[in-house]
Amino acid sequence: GESVGLHLPTLSVQEGDNSIINCAYSNSASDYFIWYKQESGKGPQFIIDIRSNMDKRQGQRVTVLLNKTVKHLSLQIAATQPGDSAVYFCAEKGTQGGKLIFGQGTELSVKP
Amino acid sequence: EPEVTQTPSHQVTQMGQEVILRCVPISNHLYFYWYRQILGQKVEFLVSFYNNEISEKSEIFDDQFSVERPDGSNFTLKIRSTKLEDSAMYFCASSRLTGREQYFGPGTRLTVT
Repeated sequence: GESVGLHLPTLSVQEGDNSIINCAYSNSASDYFIWYKQESGKGPQFIIDIRSNMDKRQGQRVTVLLNKTVKHLSLQIAATQPGDSAVYFCAEKGTQGGKLIFGQGTELSVKP
Repeated sequence: EPEVTQTPSHQVTQMGQEVILRCVPISNHLYFYWYRQILGQKVEFLVSFYNNEISEKSEIFDDQFSVERPDGSNFTLKIRSTKLEDSAMYFCASSRLTGREQYFGPGTRLTVT
């Protein structure tokens, strides 16, 4: 079946360092992926997306890498700031319709 | 910046009661979704809606659930007879294109006692 999972449940980084959050997906037919940030008590906030015909996409301080060979997705955050502390979810667009299939989430903690 | 809004932010209800959760999607979006998140767990898809009909629904979305777009701006999720296990955060989302760039609202915390 379709599933998306994350390698690590928690990640702690020093302020100013780069963060890398990983995600594995199982459906090789998935054609679209999104990273969301969720702060405590709030809804998922769209960060960046990538289509399966791309390997890399950059945004402001964030980069998403897609490795279709090993079905792996990563989110890189440059110069991590305290405001980046949150749970990060990768989500995969299901092959049926528009539903998103979410992974378990990685909690990022930024130490000052 | 346009955003999805949801009301109420917190709803407490007794088991067996009906609840209606309300959402106002982003105005130029055509696709609407409901998801839920049980405390500490991942976000789960419930239903997608387009052109005034359900496009897709999950196994969670059984006969006790229904969705409606009663006017040009609101999108509602109704649970006819709530169960304890319906307690969760319910998120509404909308997108301009199917499945892509889904923007989420702040959620409604539903507590069933």
